[in-house]
Amino acid sequence: SQTIHQWPATLVQPVGSPLSLECTVEGTSNPNLYWYRQAAGRGLQLLFYSVGIGQISSEVPQNLSASRPQDRQFILSSKKLLLSDSGFYLCAWSPGRAGTDTQYFGPGTRLTVL
Amino acid sequence: SQQGEEDPQALSIQEGENATMNCSYKTSINNLQWYRQNSGRGLVHLILIRSNEREKHSGRLRVTLDTSKKSSSLLITASRAADTASYFCATVPLLMKTSYDKVIFGPGTSLSVIP
Repeated sequence: SQTIHQWPATLVQPVGSPLSLECTVEGTSNPNLYWYRQAAGRGLQLLFYSVGIGQISSEVPQNLSASRPQDRQFILSSKKLLLSDSGFYLCAWSPGRAGTDTQYFGPGTRLTVL
Repeated sequence: SQQGEEDPQALSIQEGENATMNCSYKTSINNLQWYRQNSGRGLVHLILIRSNEREKHSGRLRVTLDTSKKSSSLLITASRAADTASYFCATVPLLMKTSYDKVIFGPGTSLSVIP
């Protein structure tokens, strides 16, 4: 069966510090991968999606970047965090044609920027 | 404005009652999905209904889709305290020009089931 992992689970970082969040998927190959951000009590905002290694599409221009160095690894990064980067970050994967199928979510990372 | 919006924003019911949540959207869709999120956790897929389907069931869940009204409803029958969570609808709009069919999530309905 497929599983998706995210780490760390929680993170507290000072403004201006770098960020690296990691997501890995097991039990499937060539998944579509997604990074979402969720503000408190709100819906999900799609940040990045990837349909293959090295293929990253950005939905919202901002302080963040994403990379997919391996088929089942998706990394969210920032060189300098802003206060507005605080939130709950969710990684997800889906099979098949990107976006049309069920998405399977990781447990999320709670990021607080102070 | 958002493609999908849930209604109500918050719902509080007694255990054993039925809970109904609605989702409205603006453009034609490929499919509509419902997800559940327990506090501080990731989302869990509940059910997917395609644009040519009108109703689907899964256990105590019943989802309807009315494409003429651009709306969907999620009914949870005989609710339990463990059903307390936020519920999101997600739509996949038709005729996207990119190779990626974007899934758009609504802001969610917060359901509280009181024991």
